[in-house]
Amino acid sequence: AQSVTQPDIHITVSEGASLELRCNYSYGATPYLFWYVQSPGQGLQLLLKYFSGDTLVQGIKGFEAEFKRSQSSFNLRKPSVHWSDAAEYFCAVAFRGGSARQLTFGSGTQLTVLP
Amino acid sequence: DAMVIQNPRYQVTQFGKPVTLSCSQTLNHNVMYWYQQKSSQAPKLLFHYYDKDFNNEADTPDNFQSRRPNTSFCFLDIRSPGLGDAAMYLCATSGPGLARTDTQYFGPGTRLTVL
Repeated sequence: AQSVTQPDIHITVSEGASLELRCNYSYGATPYLFWYVQSPGQGLQLLLKYFSGDTLVQGIKGFEAEFKRSQSSFNLRKPSVHWSDAAEYFCAVAFRGGSARQLTFGSGTQLTVLP
Repeated sequence: DAMVIQNPRYQVTQFGKPVTLSCSQTLNHNVMYWYQQKSSQAPKLLFHYYDKDFNNEADTPDNFQSRRPNTSFCFLDIRSPGLGDAAMYLCATSGPGLARTDTQYFGPGTRLTVL
């Protein structure tokens, strides 16, 4: 069955430190991949997406993600975290052969940033 | 700026009292979605409209209904809210169709409390 896994429920980093949030998917082909961020009490904001081409994708707010086919992963990174990055991060996948409505979300990773 | 707007941001209702949540969009997208998100969980798709075509997810309770009077507006009606319906309700849009590459854009959400 197709699935999306975010192994880390909660991550804590210090402000200025680097960040990597993990996302793995289970599927027989390359899906369409998204990262969304949700601040407390807010909706989801699209950070970046990957459909094809260059496997390193740049997004908003200084985030980037790298698609690794061999590892079925799409990890989100930021070189230097700011206190305002504290939020919940969702990886989402649209599997080929489906439609835009069939967006499968991971369970989310809560990011805490220490001063 | 083109956007997805949800009103109200916070809604309090009584057990069994019907409630309507509103979503509007200036993106001119053909597809509008309603998601339910409970605390610390990923969003769960309830249904979507592709233009005027309504598509219900198989496990969406009958208590939830939706209306889309025009391209810009979509409503979520909860006929008899129970305590288990307390959640964040997210509206999203995508377009122009249901292609897998059509990114979903989310509104800020409505937090529903059921007393």
